[in-house]
Amino acid sequence: GQNIDQPTEMTATEGAIVQINCTYQTSGFNGLFWYQQHAGEAPTFLSYNVLDGLEEKGRFSSFLSRSKGYSYLLLKELQMKDSASYLCAVRGNVYNQGGKLIFGQGTELSVKP
Amino acid sequence: ETGVTQTPRHLVMGMTNKKSLKCEQHLGHNAMYWYKQSAKKPLELMFVYSLEERVENNSVPSRFSPECPNSSHLFLHLHTLQPEDSALYLCASSPDRGSTDTQYFGPGTRLTVL
Repeated sequence: GQNIDQPTEMTATEGAIVQINCTYQTSGFNGLFWYQQHAGEAPTFLSYNVLDGLEEKGRFSSFLSRSKGYSYLLLKELQMKDSASYLCAVRGNVYNQGGKLIFGQGTELSVKP
Repeated sequence: ETGVTQTPRHLVMGMTNKKSLKCEQHLGHNAMYWYKQSAKKPLELMFVYSLEERVENNSVPSRFSPECPNSSHLFLHLHTLQPEDSALYLCASSPDRGSTDTQYFGPGTRLTVL
């Protein structure tokens, strides 16, 4: 079966660092995406990992370990505007899964002053 | 100009109504998608179109009927819906299907079925 797990909710303080974890079990793997979704708005692309290691993009970094079926999104110097839902999504194998995205339920992050 | 637009943003309909959701992308992409997002649940892929041809139908009930007249427009025709169909319906597009391309989402239509 296909399963993407991430915490439902997290709370952090403005200026701090927060790590949002995602574990996955899928029958195929062709990359992992992180999206940010503010309430009532479209999910927006944050990062893409297909090889093991850390991808850094400004205040946001994403890590992947394919052997462990594990990823995390690291947010540094948190700002109030970072309060949002963070969606982890795995792209399935192109040939037997059509390369479709399988989403986790999202992690609702609340940043407090 | 925003990349992916959806109309209407909010829709309330009765179970006997017929309505349509519209999606338009201004990114020159070849693939378009419909997703359903229910509260506290993961996004569920409903349909995939590639070059105006439906390439995936994820066991969606026939009361949802997609239409893709060209690569820039995607519709979701709704009829005889149930209250459990109330959700946020998101449209997305990507340069091509089945590659490493990122999907870009529209703002969604918040649907309430009474």
